Amino acid sequence: DAKTTQPNSMESNEEEPVHLPCNHSTISGTDYIHWYRQLPSQGPEYVIHGLTSNVNNRMASLAIAEDRKSSTLILHRATLRDAAVYYCIRGGGADGLTFGKGTHLIIQP
Amino acid sequence: NAGVTQTPKFRILKIGQSMTLQCTQDMNHNYMYWYRQDPGMGLKLIYYSVGAGITDKGEVPNGYNVSRSTTEDFPLRLELAAPSQTSVYFCASSWFMNTEAFFGQGTRLTVV
Repeated sequence: DAKTTQPNSMESNEEEPVHLPCNHSTISGTDYIHWYRQLPSQGPEYVIHGLTSNVNNRMASLAIAEDRKSSTLILHRATLRDAAVYYCIRGGGADGLTFGKGTHLIIQP
Repeated sequence: NAGVTQTPKFRILKIGQSMTLQCTQDMNHNYMYWYRQDPGMGLKLIYYSVGAGITDKGEVPNGYNVSRSTTEDFPLRLELAAPSQTSVYFCASSWFMNTEAFFGQGTRLTVV
């Protein structure tokens, strides 16, 4: 049980912003929201994570809804290298991360 | 920076054979994990460890064993390999829970 819901795939154009949605309506008060991405034939790569407030780093921004039942990963300016499967993960306790199928992001040149 | 290193990268096993997948990290992380990923699916947790000498089962532990004698190393042992264990195996580590996890490049295992 991945405990999050994401679209199977999304498509965007190069150099445009991308908003990847995630629903986690049963999230508990102590669950973090993590985002990882996986490029073809590679291991997952950390993107960002947060608890309540919006978070920014060099790769992306994470916008968390006020009720914490959903969040959005924002890639500000997509490049072809951002084409990957993006996983939204709720939790991240001692027993690790529970991965769902993620969103396959396609970037068109 | 080596990060998380897995060996081998590829392996073909015959049914009933055994092998050990090696994982080592040089970041002095407390937490280490083994996942498997079947085609088109997300990763599933096999075993995890929160420190040297401590291991625990994840979602899919059957057919596998682990040990954690040092902080750096977390080998995964497959006994009596079966075709259902054909998968890509990823090792990961993190400093603590809810911190950034670093993944290895994976071991692609085929059991025939």
